[in-house]
Amino acid sequence: EVQLVESGGGLVQPGRSLRLSCAASGFTFDESAMHWVRQAPGKGLEWVSGTSWNSGKIDYADSVKGRFTISRDNAKNSLYLQMNSLRAEDTALYYCAKGPRGYQLLYQFDYWGQGTLVTVSS
Amino acid sequence: DIQMTQSPSTLSASVGDRVTITCRASQSIITWLAWYQQKPGKAPKLLIYKASSLESGVPSRFSGSGSETQFTLTISSLQPDDFATYYCQQYYSLITFGQGTRLEIK
Repeated sequence: EVQLVESGGGLVQPGRSLRLSCAASGFTFDESAMHWVRQAPGKGLEWVSGTSWNSGKIDYADSVKGRFTISRDNAKNSLYLQMNSLRAEDTALYYCAKGPRGYQLLYQFDYWGQGTLVTVSS
Repeated sequence: DIQMTQSPSTLSASVGDRVTITCRASQSIITWLAWYQQKPGKAPKLLIYKASSLESGVPSRFSGSGSETQFTLTISSLQPDDFATYYCQQYYSLITFGQGTRLEIK
């Protein structure tokens, strides 16, 4: 059974940093692209960032480019999101999502975690 | 950036109805489009990918069609479990979601 478990969310002041983690199991982690998608309270889905299977292709939404860094550790079956210079508008539930087996970056997301909540407020 | 526009934003329907949700892309995305269902407090669930391919385990009452800039998600006969919010997603150039369509009970 595929499982994606996010952690690392919490309350943080504007301008500070936070690192999210996603622990994956139940599939061959290094065969899939992995992504972060967020959802502000009561709002729609917003793609944040993604990485291909070997980190060879990485991309970001314009809203986080230069502030967030995605990474993965295939030996640990884990995905990360380093979030710096956080803003109030980054407040959201952050989902980890996987693509199907493949070597590209852009795919549909066939499994999602349950999300970790990040609240940016003073 | 590719913009995705869904219509309607809210749809009221009854059990047994046939419903259609539309998603329009600001430029051609060929058929690189997915549809998701999201219920309150839950993660999105993949229904359709590559515009018309049904994800494994998804009931056959769900279907998708379209290409280039116009796409539709159809539910042939609404069931009580189908009342939820639906999102389209393009994955042709980066990733963009539509704003969502809330399907509510009439």
